[in-house]
Amino acid sequence: EDKVVQSPLSLVVHEGDTVTLNCSYEVTNFRSLLWYKQEKKAPTFLFMLTSSGIEKKSGRLSSILDKKELFSILNITATQTGDSAVYLCAVLHTGGFKTIFGAGTRLFVKA
Amino acid sequence: DGGITQSPKYLFRKEGQNVTLSCEQNLNHDAMYWYRQDPGQGLRLIYYSQIVNDFQKGDIAEGYSVSREKKESFPLTVTSAQKNPTAFYLCASSNTGPSSYEQYFGPGTRLTVT
Repeated sequence: EDKVVQSPLSLVVHEGDTVTLNCSYEVTNFRSLLWYKQEKKAPTFLFMLTSSGIEKKSGRLSSILDKKELFSILNITATQTGDSAVYLCAVLHTGGFKTIFGAGTRLFVKA
Repeated sequence: DGGITQSPKYLFRKEGQNVTLSCEQNLNHDAMYWYRQDPGQGLRLIYYSQIVNDFQKGDIAEGYSVSREKKESFPLTVTSAQKNPTAFYLCASSNTGPSSYEQYFGPGTRLTVT
């Protein structure tokens, strides 16, 4: 059975800290791994990773994929209160439609 | 503005009643999706549609039904056969082809069945 496991489930940090969120997967027919940020209602897209070892960056956020060990990490440096959200990891099947989501990591950044 | 709308935001129903959740998009996307989110769990795929008049079951389709008569619309009916219908429901859409990875989500509908 396909599964995506995220850790930790929740995390509390102080502003300015650096955090690393983990995502491991066991999915047949892997195409890509995606990260989303869910603040209140609708998840918003952060990154798509398809190849191993290539870091994607957007401001203070970065992510990398290891297809041999079947995991990805999402790093957030110099955290701000606005980073408080649930971060979702998802794996997209080949064919491009079926997506398996992890349970998410709930991050809370204290001022 | 382009986007996805879901209505209503909150919905209350009595057990045994069918209820239909609306999802409309004006992004000109071919593919649309319905997910269910429960506390402490990730999004679980209910149904998806790659094109008008076609849809496929996801992982938890039992007790749900959909239709895709128009490109813009993908309504979800939660039937009385769904054992635990209380949940947060998210609709999404995406392009197809090489750029089909990014799904755009609507604001969701929180359904409570008592």
